[in-house]
Amino acid sequence: EIVLTQSPGTLSLSPGERAALSCRASQTTSSTYLAWYQQKPGQAPRLLIYGASSRAAGIPDRFSGSGSGTDFTLTISRLEPEDFAVYYCQQYGSSSWTFGQGTKVEIK
Amino acid sequence: EVHLVESGGGLVQPGESLRLSCAASGFTFSRYTMYWVRQAPGKGLQWVSTVNSGDGNTYYADSVKGRFTISRDNSKNTLYLQMNSLRAEDTAVYYCAKRGEGYYFDGWGQGALVTVSS
Repeated sequence: EIVLTQSPGTLSLSPGERAALSCRASQTTSSTYLAWYQQKPGQAPRLLIYGASSRAAGIPDRFSGSGSGTDFTLTISRLEPEDFAVYYCQQYGSSSWTFGQGTKVEIK
Repeated sequence: EVHLVESGGGLVQPGESLRLSCAASGFTFSRYTMYWVRQAPGKGLQWVSTVNSGDGNTYYADSVKGRFTISRDNSKNTLYLQMNSLRAEDTAVYYCAKRGEGYYFDGWGQGALVTVSS
């Protein structure tokens, strides 16, 4: 089973700043199978990025994904107040779906 | 618009059973693989189970294999999760989710809370 490790655990930033969230896989994974989600308190997760770099429908272009192999990054170019939330990466492999432990983006 | 509504959550004692349902609308349910994903209080997301649309094959996380059964009724646009021999560590919000064009979750329900406690 591929393990996803997200870093940092918490990112303290101010609105308008750039956020870079890392997701590292324990072994090489296809970028086709890498997705990112946003979750706000009391809400279900929301798909942001699939295929490592494709934005889901309705997702603002300040969100972008990149990476390949074992290292993937979610970048938020300029944080808006509504972007402060927890972000999870997710991958698929061998009929199993796994999530990273999450990165919390909090207001500094 | 994808709409998923879970029901059937509640408080049960260890060893008991519970069945969750997920009513789907806004898309052609029979054509999509569906999932259950759970989130323990204050913790991250954990995939639980998958049922394919075409062949009906099912897949389970090791932590629930042999205790949980996923199924679907395409005539009722409903997904199910039968949970037996429940343990305290099964306490979580259970989300049903729809597969996107790839192996990711592009639609989520609001979740159903399952609490296993004596």
